[in-house]
Amino acid sequence: QKEVEQNSGPLSVPEGAIASLNCTYSDRVSQSFFWYRQYSGKSPELIMSIYSNGDKEDGRFTAQLNKASQYVSLLIRDSQPSDSATYLCAVNRGDTGFQKLVFGTGTRLLVSP
Amino acid sequence: GAVVSQHPSRVICKSGTSVKIECRSLDFQATTMFWYRQFPKQSLMLMATSNEGSKATYEQGVEKDKFLINHASLTLSTLTVTSAHPEDSSFYICSARGVGGRNQPQHFGDGTRLSIL
Repeated sequence: QKEVEQNSGPLSVPEGAIASLNCTYSDRVSQSFFWYRQYSGKSPELIMSIYSNGDKEDGRFTAQLNKASQYVSLLIRDSQPSDSATYLCAVNRGDTGFQKLVFGTGTRLLVSP
Repeated sequence: GAVVSQHPSRVICKSGTSVKIECRSLDFQATTMFWYRQFPKQSLMLMATSNEGSKATYEQGVEKDKFLINHASLTLSTLTVTSAHPEDSSFYICSARGVGGRNQPQHFGDGTRLSIL
């Protein structure tokens, strides 16, 4: 079992729709969770961070965390073609002093005009 | 805020050359910096973690004598790929994490695309 799992996609949604991206993780002691967006050929860009159970909203983005289910998701409202990218879920492992991130393989999102 | 500068953005060189990549945190102090490698259509793979003033911690399978990391200050880390060969061609990305606890996010540089001929 991978430490962080994501559906590779592509996830195709029409412009204006809600895109829902999901991620599960295996390490129960993980404490912090991040969503990064990566455009093709570019480096990742931080979109959201979430640390406690529940929802966290920032503009069109909402991150949801359920530690009991070891599940974290990202909702993108009013999706735009410019949102088309690969979205990486990253989890901070809880067992090392350096707290390194473990990344999922990413979900490719395609937003059609 | 949280800007990380990585230089150079692209390198093309002959096999056997050593290549140095710099990673700077421009507007914050980075207690920890990370170096990743990403092959086409694959996810990020952590190569090593470094704290300022101490030796880097390398991931399993990463040769520390080939990938030299120096983290001389709270704003600068360098990765040197020694005697690079075509199989070292990849997208190398650094990230930096600031002070404030282990749950701080990592901020990424723009990456260096390395092509070894």
